[in-house]
Amino acid sequence: GESVGLHLPTLSVQEGDNSIINCAYSNSASDYFIWYKQESGKGPQFIIDIRSNMDKRQGQRVTVLLNKTVKHLSLQIAATQPGDSAVYFCAENRGSGYSTLTFGKGTMLLVSP
Amino acid sequence: IAGITQAPTSQILAAGRRMTLRCTQDMRHNAMYWYRQDLGLGLRLIHYSNTAGTTGKGEVPDGYSVSRANTDDFPLTLASAVPSQTSVYFCASSTGQGDSPLHFGNGTRLTVT
Repeated sequence: GESVGLHLPTLSVQEGDNSIINCAYSNSASDYFIWYKQESGKGPQFIIDIRSNMDKRQGQRVTVLLNKTVKHLSLQIAATQPGDSAVYFCAENRGSGYSTLTFGKGTMLLVSP
Repeated sequence: IAGITQAPTSQILAAGRRMTLRCTQDMRHNAMYWYRQDLGLGLRLIHYSNTAGTTGKGEVPDGYSVSRANTDDFPLTLASAVPSQTSVYFCASSTGQGDSPLHFGNGTRLTVT
């Protein structure tokens, strides 16, 4: 889940396992959601997005699930690899443009070989 | 390779000094953004520009100014740096439409002493 303090929550998995990273979003009016991956020393990298009229969207090895009833978003990574080790965070938006985009604080994923 | 270029990569700055962080994109995106990233607080929007010639204030604009003279460049200026502005600064861009990904640069790590 998302961080509530200075330390990021951490998910440790073995290579080959499936990973699930969760995010609780705050605004019921949000209609667009994005997952980002951030490796150490780099900028956030877009992974996958989903609009509020969808419950599920799949990409390459990743799936995003959206539960609007409980305002919950999850990112599933299949067959996790060491290169997936990074901080993952969700973002929610409403309307056009990104001046209203709100980011979560992130979850660190550690993948052991 | 198309993307966002930020300069400098890192900087140590004495309090009270003026500093401009540079950001250039070559994707012809309409919208550009400046975020700061602090441990435990996530990404917070400083200023944004929906199109060349216009700018707007984000969540934490105090102490910062921006300009958008053309599509490609979006410099961020600290007129008189203070230690609380020590952070990692990310520039980002998007087409400006609500469901298009936000692209980030690799950041400028700024330390104000």
